[in-house]
Amino acid sequence: QKEVEQNSGPLSVPEGAIASLNCTYSDRGSQSFFWYRQYSGKSPELIMSIYSNGDKEDGRFTAQLNKASQYVSLLIRDSQPSDSATYLCAVDSGTYKYIFGTGTRLKVLA
Amino acid sequence: EPEVTQTPSHQVTQMGQEVILRCVPISNHLYFYWYRQILGQKVEFLVSFYNNEISEKSEIFDDQFSVERPDGSNFTLKIRSTKLEDSAMYFCASSWRGRANEKLFFGSGTQLSVL
Repeated sequence: QKEVEQNSGPLSVPEGAIASLNCTYSDRGSQSFFWYRQYSGKSPELIMSIYSNGDKEDGRFTAQLNKASQYVSLLIRDSQPSDSATYLCAVDSGTYKYIFGTGTRLKVLA
Repeated sequence: EPEVTQTPSHQVTQMGQEVILRCVPISNHLYFYWYRQILGQKVEFLVSFYNNEISEKSEIFDDQFSVERPDGSNFTLKIRSTKLEDSAMYFCASSWRGRANEKLFFGSGTQLSVL
Protein backbone atom coordinates (compact mmCIF):
# COMPACT_ATOMS: atom_id res chain seq x y z
CA GLN A 1 0.00 0.00 0.00
CA LYS A 2 1.57 3.26 -1.14
CA GLU A 3 1.37 5.92 1.54
CA VAL A 4 1.97 9.63 1.89
CA GLU A 5 2.36 10.86 5.45
CA GLN A 6 1.96 14.35 6.81
CA ASN A 7 1.64 15.79 10.28
CA SER A 8 -1.99 16.93 10.56
CA GLY A 9 -1.10 19.95 12.66
CA PRO A 10 -2.26 22.56 13.27
CA LEU A 11 1.03 24.31 12.65
CA SER A 12 0.81 27.82 14.03
CA VAL A 13 3.28 30.50 12.94
CA PRO A 14 3.25 34.25 13.46
CA GLU A 15 2.72 36.54 10.50
CA GLY A 16 5.97 37.17 8.64
CA ALA A 17 7.62 33.94 9.83
CA ILE A 18 8.65 30.93 7.76
CA ALA A 19 6.25 28.01 7.77
CA SER A 20 7.82 24.59 7.16
CA LEU A 21 5.61 21.72 6.05
CA ASN A 22 6.84 18.18 5.66
CA CYS A 23 5.80 15.03 3.84
CA THR A 24 7.19 11.52 3.55
CA TYR A 25 6.22 8.91 1.00
CA SER A 26 6.61 5.17 0.83
CA ASP A 27 7.06 4.41 -2.88
CA ARG A 28 10.68 4.76 -3.97
CA GLY A 29 9.52 4.69 -7.58
CA SER A 30 7.59 7.96 -7.32
CA GLN A 31 8.92 10.65 -9.61
CA SER A 32 6.57 13.59 -9.26
CA PHE A 33 5.62 15.52 -6.16
CA PHE A 34 3.06 18.24 -5.67
CA TRP A 35 1.93 20.64 -3.02
CA TYR A 36 -1.70 21.71 -3.04
CA ARG A 37 -3.41 24.28 -0.87
CA GLN A 38 -6.99 23.62 0.22
CA TYR A 39 -9.21 26.11 1.95
CA SER A 40 -12.06 24.68 3.98
CA GLY A 41 -14.85 23.39 1.73
CA LYS A 42 -12.91 24.20 -1.43
CA SER A 43 -11.01 22.16 -4.01
CA PRO A 44 -7.24 21.61 -3.94
CA GLU A 45 -5.23 24.30 -5.68
CA LEU A 46 -1.75 23.49 -7.00
CA ILE A 47 1.04 25.57 -5.48
CA MET A 48 4.23 23.78 -6.50
CA SER A 49 5.46 20.74 -8.35
CA ILE A 50 8.94 19.24 -8.03
CA TYR A 51 10.55 16.36 -9.84
CA SER A 52 14.30 16.55 -9.08
CA ASN A 53 16.29 16.44 -5.87
CA GLY A 54 17.02 19.85 -4.41
CA ASP A 55 15.11 23.08 -4.06
CA LYS A 56 12.63 24.79 -6.33
CA GLU A 57 11.54 28.33 -5.59
CA ASP A 58 8.44 30.18 -6.76
CA GLY A 59 7.83 33.50 -5.10
CA ARG A 60 7.40 32.99 -1.36
CA PHE A 61 7.25 29.22 -1.78
CA THR A 62 10.16 26.77 -1.88
CA ALA A 63 9.70 23.05 -2.42
CA GLN A 64 12.48 20.70 -1.37
CA LEU A 65 12.87 17.10 -2.46
CA ASN A 66 15.16 14.39 -1.14
CA LYS A 67 14.43 11.12 -2.92
CA ALA A 68 17.00 9.16 -0.91
CA SER A 69 15.15 10.04 2.29
CA GLN A 70 11.73 9.92 0.55
CA TYR A 71 11.00 13.36 1.90
CA VAL A 72 9.36 16.46 0.44
CA SER A 73 8.93 19.78 2.15
CA LEU A 74 7.34 23.15 1.48
CA LEU A 75 8.64 26.39 2.94
CA ILE A 76 6.46 29.47 2.97
CA ARG A 77 8.40 32.65 3.60
CA ASP A 78 6.83 35.82 5.01
CA SER A 79 3.69 33.89 5.98
CA GLN A 80 0.44 35.82 5.71
CA PRO A 81 -2.92 35.19 7.40
CA SER A 82 -4.27 34.40 3.92
CA ASP A 83 -1.88 31.42 3.81
CA SER A 84 -3.92 29.79 6.57
CA ALA A 85 -5.22 26.61 4.93
CA THR A 86 -4.59 22.90 4.74
CA TYR A 87 -1.57 21.95 2.64
CA LEU A 88 -1.76 18.65 0.83
CA CYS A 89 1.24 16.69 -0.37
CA ALA A 90 0.53 14.55 -3.44
CA VAL A 91 2.78 11.95 -5.01
CA ASP A 92 2.43 10.12 -8.30
CA SER A 93 1.78 6.42 -7.95
CA GLY A 94 3.47 5.57 -11.23
CA THR A 95 0.12 5.20 -12.98
CA TYR A 96 -2.71 7.55 -13.81
CA LYS A 97 -3.32 8.77 -10.29
CA TYR A 98 -1.89 10.73 -7.41
CA ILE A 99 -1.83 9.70 -3.77
CA PHE A 100 -2.58 12.46 -1.32
CA GLY A 101 -1.52 12.86 2.27
CA THR A 102 -4.04 13.85 4.91
CA GLY A 103 -2.74 17.42 4.84
CA THR A 104 -1.23 19.79 7.38
CA ARG A 105 -3.40 22.58 8.70
CA LEU A 106 -1.47 25.84 8.81
CA LYS A 107 -2.56 28.80 10.94
CA VAL A 108 -0.80 32.12 10.42
CA LEU A 109 -1.42 34.37 13.38
CA ALA A 110 -1.78 38.09 12.74
CA GLU B 1 -7.84 30.60 -17.16
CA PRO B 2 -9.77 27.50 -18.28
CA GLU B 3 -11.44 25.59 -15.50
CA VAL B 4 -13.19 22.35 -14.69
CA THR B 5 -16.83 22.92 -13.82
CA GLN B 6 -18.95 20.66 -11.66
CA THR B 7 -22.68 20.53 -11.05
CA PRO B 8 -24.47 20.55 -8.74
CA SER B 9 -22.40 22.12 -5.99
CA HIS B 10 -24.56 20.36 -3.38
CA GLN B 11 -26.64 17.21 -3.70
CA VAL B 12 -28.82 15.75 -0.99
CA THR B 13 -30.27 12.30 -1.53
CA GLN B 14 -31.91 9.48 0.34
CA MET B 15 -30.04 6.26 0.97
CA GLY B 16 -30.61 3.80 -1.84
CA GLN B 17 -31.26 6.47 -4.45
CA GLU B 18 -29.20 6.95 -7.60
CA VAL B 19 -27.21 10.13 -8.10
CA ILE B 20 -25.34 11.51 -11.07
CA LEU B 21 -22.58 14.03 -10.56
CA ARG B 22 -21.63 16.06 -13.59
CA CYS B 23 -18.38 17.57 -14.72
CA VAL B 24 -17.20 19.53 -17.73
CA PRO B 25 -13.43 19.04 -18.03
CA ILE B 26 -11.16 21.57 -19.70
CA SER B 27 -11.85 21.37 -23.42
CA ASN B 28 -8.49 20.15 -24.76
CA HIS B 29 -7.82 17.73 -21.92
CA LEU B 30 -7.90 14.03 -22.63
CA TYR B 31 -7.68 12.44 -19.17
CA PHE B 32 -10.43 12.69 -16.60
CA TYR B 33 -10.58 11.72 -12.96
CA TRP B 34 -12.88 11.49 -9.99
CA TYR B 35 -11.57 11.90 -6.46
CA ARG B 36 -13.51 12.13 -3.24
CA GLN B 37 -12.86 13.57 0.19
CA ILE B 38 -14.81 12.51 3.23
CA LEU B 39 -14.99 15.33 5.76
CA GLY B 40 -11.72 15.60 7.66
CA GLN B 41 -10.02 12.88 5.62
CA LYS B 42 -7.64 12.71 2.73
CA VAL B 43 -8.41 13.20 -0.94
CA GLU B 44 -8.88 9.69 -2.37
CA PHE B 45 -8.59 8.55 -5.95
CA LEU B 46 -11.67 6.86 -7.40
CA VAL B 47 -11.16 6.44 -11.12
CA SER B 48 -9.31 7.69 -14.18
CA PHE B 49 -10.76 7.72 -17.70
CA TYR B 50 -9.21 8.06 -21.13
CA ASN B 51 -10.44 7.41 -24.64
CA ASN B 52 -13.87 6.37 -23.38
CA GLU B 53 -12.46 3.71 -21.10
CA ILE B 54 -11.53 3.42 -17.46
CA SER B 55 -7.73 3.54 -17.16
CA GLU B 56 -7.55 2.71 -13.50
CA LYS B 57 -9.91 2.45 -10.55
CA SER B 58 -9.49 2.15 -6.82
CA GLU B 59 -10.97 -0.37 -4.42
CA ILE B 60 -13.58 2.23 -3.50
CA PHE B 61 -14.90 2.25 -7.08
CA ASP B 62 -17.05 -0.85 -6.83
CA ASP B 63 -20.02 -1.97 -8.90
CA GLN B 64 -22.17 0.81 -7.44
CA PHE B 65 -20.08 3.38 -9.28
CA SER B 66 -19.86 4.06 -12.99
CA VAL B 67 -18.45 6.80 -15.18
CA GLU B 68 -19.45 7.95 -18.60
CA ARG B 69 -18.59 10.56 -21.19
CA PRO B 70 -22.03 10.87 -22.77
CA ASP B 71 -21.00 13.57 -25.24
CA GLY B 72 -17.96 15.60 -26.20
CA SER B 73 -17.98 17.79 -23.11
CA ASN B 74 -19.53 16.10 -20.07
CA PHE B 75 -18.02 13.51 -17.77
CA THR B 76 -20.33 11.94 -15.20
CA LEU B 77 -20.06 9.83 -12.07
CA LYS B 78 -23.09 7.72 -11.22
CA ILE B 79 -23.68 6.09 -7.88
CA ARG B 80 -26.43 3.52 -8.37
CA SER B 81 -27.65 2.96 -4.83
CA THR B 82 -26.20 5.47 -2.41
CA LYS B 83 -25.08 4.53 1.08
CA LEU B 84 -24.55 6.77 4.09
CA GLU B 85 -20.80 6.32 3.74
CA ASP B 86 -20.90 7.80 0.23
CA SER B 87 -21.40 11.22 1.81
CA ALA B 88 -18.34 13.20 0.76
CA MET B 89 -17.06 15.98 -1.46
CA TYR B 90 -16.54 14.62 -4.96
CA PHE B 91 -13.95 16.32 -7.13
CA CYS B 92 -13.62 15.96 -10.85
CA ALA B 93 -10.21 16.65 -12.36
CA SER B 94 -8.68 16.65 -15.79
CA SER B 95 -5.25 16.72 -17.36
CA TRP B 96 -3.96 16.98 -20.89
CA ARG B 97 -1.79 13.91 -21.31
CA GLY B 98 -2.27 11.95 -18.09
CA ARG B 99 1.43 11.68 -17.42
CA ALA B 100 2.74 11.36 -13.89
CA ASN B 101 4.43 14.78 -13.95
CA GLU B 102 1.37 16.58 -15.10
CA LYS B 103 -0.75 19.04 -13.19
CA LEU B 104 -4.28 18.04 -12.31
CA PHE B 105 -6.92 20.72 -12.67
CA PHE B 106 -9.64 20.23 -10.07
CA GLY B 107 -13.23 21.34 -10.24
CA SER B 108 -14.85 23.08 -7.28
CA GLY B 109 -16.51 19.85 -6.14
CA THR B 110 -19.96 18.46 -5.43
CA GLN B 111 -20.86 17.99 -1.78
CA LEU B 112 -22.96 14.82 -1.62
CA SER B 113 -25.03 14.22 1.49
CA VAL B 114 -26.77 10.85 1.83
CA LEU B 115 -29.53 10.78 4.44
